Amino acid sequence: LAKTTQPISMDSYEGQEVNITCSHNNIATNDYITWYQQFPSQGPRFIIQGYKTKVTNEVASLFIPADRKSSTLSLPRVSLSDTAVYYCLVGSLRSARQLTFGSGTQLTVLP
Amino acid sequence: NAGVTQTPKFQVLKTGQSMTLQCAQDMNHNSMYWYRQDPGMGLRLIYYSASEGTTDKGEVPNGYNVSRLNKREFSLRLESAAPSQTSVYFCASEDRGQTSNTGELFFGEGSRLTVL
Repeated sequence: LAKTTQPISMDSYEGQEVNITCSHNNIATNDYITWYQQFPSQGPRFIIQGYKTKVTNEVASLFIPADRKSSTLSLPRVSLSDTAVYYCLVGSLRSARQLTFGSGTQLTVLP
Repeated sequence: NAGVTQTPKFQVLKTGQSMTLQCAQDMNHNSMYWYRQDPGMGLRLIYYSASEGTTDKGEVPNGYNVSRLNKREFSLRLESAAPSQTSVYFCASEDRGQTSNTGELFFGEGSRLTVL
């Protein structure tokens, strides 16, 4: 299982772009990178997933360099409601796998 | 379409008591998971079921048992509760193995368990 490392916490201000980086040095060839968001007293919610280069959806972008040993979740123009814990997961989509979450990154958006 | 439903939402037990957490999903997903989350920490996998009829241990299976009753339901049982099992428990499902599989986990709202 690929181990992931993220910063424990980050602060930002409303309207700024936030980038959260995840390290996954032993990522396997078949592994995808997935990010989840969790609000207090709720289950995590899927944000975005990618394999290489750049993926963008309506809420975030995911940047993955060529060596795939890290990835960066980019949240454009954050608001107070983006305050949450963000988790990076790495794993294969093809085989039964144990999905494990790290400690995540607590993002606090300040007014 | 309710997604993933967990019951009960809250439960208080005394040490040594037993109970079962229920989880059901209506998305026709093959895979289901049970996690626990302790305060200020990430989620740790207890057990998972890759498909109906199969179950496997995760990171922290001791003190728990599971049953994949059918494709929809995956229950978690504590036979003799201990204070160390005080936690929030999350059930999740995923459409692993189907053509539309994106690896996205769908979570329930959680079950908060306190063991005195």
